[in-house]
Amino acid sequence: EIVMTQSPATLSVSPGERVTLSCRASQSVNRNLVWYQQKPGQAPRLLIYGASTRATDIPARFSGSGSGTEFSLTISSLQSEDFAVYYCQQYDTWPSFGGGTKVEIK
Amino acid sequence: QVQLVESGGGVVQPGRSLTLSCAASGFTFSTYTMHWVRQLPGKGLDWVAVIRYDGIKTAYADSVKGRFTISRDNSKNTLYLQMDNLRAEDTAVYYCARPHDTNLGTKWFNPWGQGALVTVSS
Repeated sequence: EIVMTQSPATLSVSPGERVTLSCRASQSVNRNLVWYQQKPGQAPRLLIYGASTRATDIPARFSGSGSGTEFSLTISSLQSEDFAVYYCQQYDTWPSFGGGTKVEIK
Repeated sequence: QVQLVESGGGVVQPGRSLTLSCAASGFTFSTYTMHWVRQLPGKGLDWVAVIRYDGIKTAYADSVKGRFTISRDNSKNTLYLQMDNLRAEDTAVYYCARPHDTNLGTKWFNPWGQGALVTVSS
């Protein structure tokens, strides 16, 4: 099983700031990685697939990068609606998820 | 629009069984592989099971293999998860999830259902 590790667990930021979330795979997953956003009481929402392709209707302030074992999600200017938990998931093999990064208001 | 609606969650005693359903609409259900993913309380996400579009092939996470059975009825546009011999550690919100497209290799999800809470407790 491929283990996905996200860091940090929690990020305290102010609106308007730029944030970068990290995701590491225990072995190469090529570019077979997605990012989801989850708000309390809601299902995850797809943000990025193929490591860097934004899903439909996702704002341009969200961007993904990386390949192999190291990936990142960047939010260029944090908006109030972006405070949430973010998960990465690899799909190179059967899906496995990172533990999540909570982005909270500073 | 594409919609997935889970039902059948509830409180069940350890060792008992429960079946979840997921009603799909807004897309051609019979052409999509379908998955179940769960979220432990306050924790992250775990993939549970997958079933091919025709119902012939299935696969399971090791943690549920031999206890859970995924199935589907394409005539009813419905996905099922039968959970037997439930344990406390199976307590979670269970989501049905559709892959982004019909490619058999697509194992990432868009959309997800709203989830069904299963609590295993005596």
